[in-house]
Amino acid sequence: GAVVSQHPSRVICKSGTSVKIECRSLDFQATTMFWYRQFPKQSLMLMATSNEGSKATYEQGVEKDKFLINHASLTLSTLTVTSAHPEDSSFYICSARSDHKETQYFGPGTRLLVL
Amino acid sequence: AQTVTQSQPEMSVQEAETVTLSCTYDTSESDYYLFWYKQPPSRQMILVIRQEAYKQQNATENRFSVNFQKAAKSFSLKISDSQLGDAAMYFCAYRRTGTASKLTFGTGTRLQVTL
Repeated sequence: GAVVSQHPSRVICKSGTSVKIECRSLDFQATTMFWYRQFPKQSLMLMATSNEGSKATYEQGVEKDKFLINHASLTLSTLTVTSAHPEDSSFYICSARSDHKETQYFGPGTRLLVL
Repeated sequence: AQTVTQSQPEMSVQEAETVTLSCTYDTSESDYYLFWYKQPPSRQMILVIRQEAYKQQNATENRFSVNFQKAAKSFSLKISDSQLGDAAMYFCAYRRTGTASKLTFGTGTRLQVTL
């Protein structure tokens, strides 16, 4: 299967700071990337969908000014959690898909802890 | 809206035995994709198997096979010769065809494999 990397794998930050998470498709061009959040023992919750070169589409209830998504190239998308607070602590997962593939491939996830 | 239901929060199977995980979905579409993803303790989402709705033949991948009943909107996963490494959270997912479509996940089934 295709490979999606995510960096960092875990991050601890102070409340009020911003954190950037990178998602890269290593062996295919990702026309669409997805960002999910997962709470313990729960399913994945889609936050937003991004297409290369255009603005992300956010799901209802997700603050676009807090969770900034940039999909600048066909292999890179970033999620920036701005002014992070303890309630933003969670597991964030990116996923990527090519127009030529039916399957979505997932990154290994980023564990964010905001103190 | 599409929904995916996994009615078994937890399942247990003995090593070398066979287990079936259930999944039902609701859609008005005629063409779509169905997936089973595995999430082990590492939390990396791994594609187990994929089924295209237009294909009548059930998908198989080594020890993993599905029972796809389109009329009943059922998509169960059978794991044969279970191994300790199969212990994980299993998510059933649906996606309609089209580049703008998103995955809809079920709530997951936690599979335990015992000796």
